[in-house]
Amino acid sequence: EVQLVESGGGLVQPGGSLRLSCVASGFTFSDHYMAWVRQAPGKGLEWVGRIRNKANSYITEYAASVKGRFTISRDDSKNSQYLQMNSLKSEDTAVYYCARVSDYGSFFDFWGQGALVAVSS
Amino acid sequence: EIVLTQSPGTLSMSPGERATLSCRASERVAGDYLAWYQQKSGQAPRLLIYDASIRATGIPDRFSGSGSGTDFTLTISRLELEDFTVYYCQQYGGSPLTFGGGTKVEIK
Repeated sequence: EVQLVESGGGLVQPGGSLRLSCVASGFTFSDHYMAWVRQAPGKGLEWVGRIRNKANSYITEYAASVKGRFTISRDDSKNSQYLQMNSLKSEDTAVYYCARVSDYGSFFDFWGQGALVAVSS
Repeated sequence: EIVLTQSPGTLSMSPGERATLSCRASERVAGDYLAWYQQKSGQAPRLLIYDASIRATGIPDRFSGSGSGTDFTLTISRLELEDFTVYYCQQYGGSPLTFGGGTKVEIK
């Protein structure tokens, strides 16, 4: 059974930093691209970014709204991906989902339960 | 960036009825690479459809997807109580990946 478990969410002040982790199980993590998707309270889904697998040089891509502030990384030996968030703004307040990118295209076939990040003073 | 517009914003239906949800793209979606997700309150989204019309594993056949180019449709043939929730489309034919704003299916 595929499982994705996020951790590291919490309350942070504007301008602060936070690191989310996502531990995967139930599939060969190293084979897959992985992604982060967020959802502000009461709003829709927003793609944050993704990281390719080793075969594709771990290339990362980001939404314009977070580029230069957020960094996605992964550690295949720990079946984990990470989202380092710097210079946080109030508009970054959201539930952040870890998602597996499908083998068949850049859609998301499995999701974690989400981690809440609240940016407020 | 491809903007996806979902309509209607809210669909009021009765159990057993047929629901038709629309997702319109601001430009052609390459490869018709469009997915649909269902999201229940307090839960993560669940993949329903990909490549515009292929049901994901374990998805009941009352859910079907159709369309191409800029116009896509999710149809729920006979609504069951568990289907009254929010649905999102997502395109992956271009970068950045984008989602529609969602359609809520509510009980009339």
